[in-house]
Amino acid sequence: DAGVIQSPRHEVTEMGQEVTLRCKPISGHNSLFWYRQTMMRGLELLIYFNNNVPIDDSGMPEDRFSAKMPNASFSTLKIQPSEPRDSAVYFCASSLAGLAGRSYNEQFFGPGTRLTVL
Amino acid sequence: AQKITQTQPGMFVQEKEAVTLDCTYDTSDPSYGLFWYKQPSSGEMIFLIYQGSYDQQNATEGRYSLNFQKARKSANLVISASQLGDSAMYFCAMRAPGGGNKLTFGTGTQLKVEL
Repeated sequence: DAGVIQSPRHEVTEMGQEVTLRCKPISGHNSLFWYRQTMMRGLELLIYFNNNVPIDDSGMPEDRFSAKMPNASFSTLKIQPSEPRDSAVYFCASSLAGLAGRSYNEQFFGPGTRLTVL
Repeated sequence: AQKITQTQPGMFVQEKEAVTLDCTYDTSDPSYGLFWYKQPSSGEMIFLIYQGSYDQQNATEGRYSLNFQKARKSANLVISASQLGDSAMYFCAMRAPGGGNKLTFGTGTQLKVEL
């Protein structure tokens, strides 16, 4: 089975440009998470969805960031306009919440998108 | 609010030896789960082991075990018989009902296994 798929794997852009990161969760998973990892701040949750509905976006840094999940197999994280401080590795993760007989439902991470904003 | 603390920024261990990576947590929820993830230099996040707050026994998964001390709010990861491939960053994380379905991660411990 394919794991979580993220694209692009690397993105280099100039300040002010729009950036769109894409994620395909594991088929059948009903929770999707967007994280950002930097040396300074570590691994931060930006937003997560349950059954395509955003549940908690308190980690989204500011209005320049937006995320959508139009269907169960696709999500996007958009930054507009991008700034150099947005440079980070962005991870998407998915899990299957509420699986009978399974108490923990670990999150499976994608390979990440390394974003560099010049 | 939930908080995870990993006080060891870096650790060294000799091949074939055991190593303990520390993790303490803070939550007011009686029901919670603790996770350990491994992040090798290639960057992917790999799930290792889970401990539930109501689990009676410490979790084990192959060479990984979790030393869960509930009263002390600690969930240390023990890696036995270290291998060179264990060199990586290790993250402790917690999920608590008050935090929804999300994980709160610690700052990580960089483990280096030496010959």
